[in-house]
Amino acid sequence: GENVEQHPSTLSVQEGDSAVIKCTYSDSASNYFPWYKQELGKRPQLIIDIRSNVGEKKDQRIAVTLNKTAKHFSLHITETQPEDSAVYFCAATTTSGTYKYIFGTGTRLKVLA
Amino acid sequence: SAVISQKPSRDICQRGTSLTIQCQVDSQVTMMFWYRQQPGQSLTLIATANQGSEATYESGFVIDKFPISRPNLTFSTLTVSNMSPEDSSIYLCSVVPDQETQYFGPGTRLLVL
Repeated sequence: GENVEQHPSTLSVQEGDSAVIKCTYSDSASNYFPWYKQELGKRPQLIIDIRSNVGEKKDQRIAVTLNKTAKHFSLHITETQPEDSAVYFCAATTTSGTYKYIFGTGTRLKVLA
Repeated sequence: SAVISQKPSRDICQRGTSLTIQCQVDSQVTMMFWYRQQPGQSLTLIATANQGSEATYESGFVIDKFPISRPNLTFSTLTVSNMSPEDSSIYLCSVVPDQETQYFGPGTRLLVL
């Protein structure tokens, strides 16, 4: 069945450094790729998304890139801050039919002050 | 986006009992989903709650264990039946108000003794 692989599972960076999280999806029909941030004890919150007709999208310190040919997409966080510490999930879906999301396994990011 | 509430926020239950979780949305939405998130894990889709018809369950989840109601476009319930300690988890509902992005409720933290 469809799946999304996410790496790394844990990531520690020094404050001010960059963090990169990578995901690979299997369903070539996927056309929408959101990223969620989940702080401890909180709900997953959408932080950025990208559609299949776009290769890159940026929102302040956060950017996402998509390589449809390779079925890869990545989250880039620059100038990391302690409040960026959380678990990040990628997901892939097709925006038609069932709208089911396939989530990655999550990356626990720790930003060290 | 959408404003989503869940009740209860947390509960401690005895094995063999059942718990019904409510999900309320501030606008009418067609697509509503129920997820389970076990400690330190990703989000696992239990079922899609369809208004006016039976829920669609994912592999490994059955209606007898997780009956779902969807009486209208703003409300749904998930019941966890005949609970065992393995059902201890966070249960989240989500909606897709714009036919693209999922937004999550705050979750119900369940502990079964």
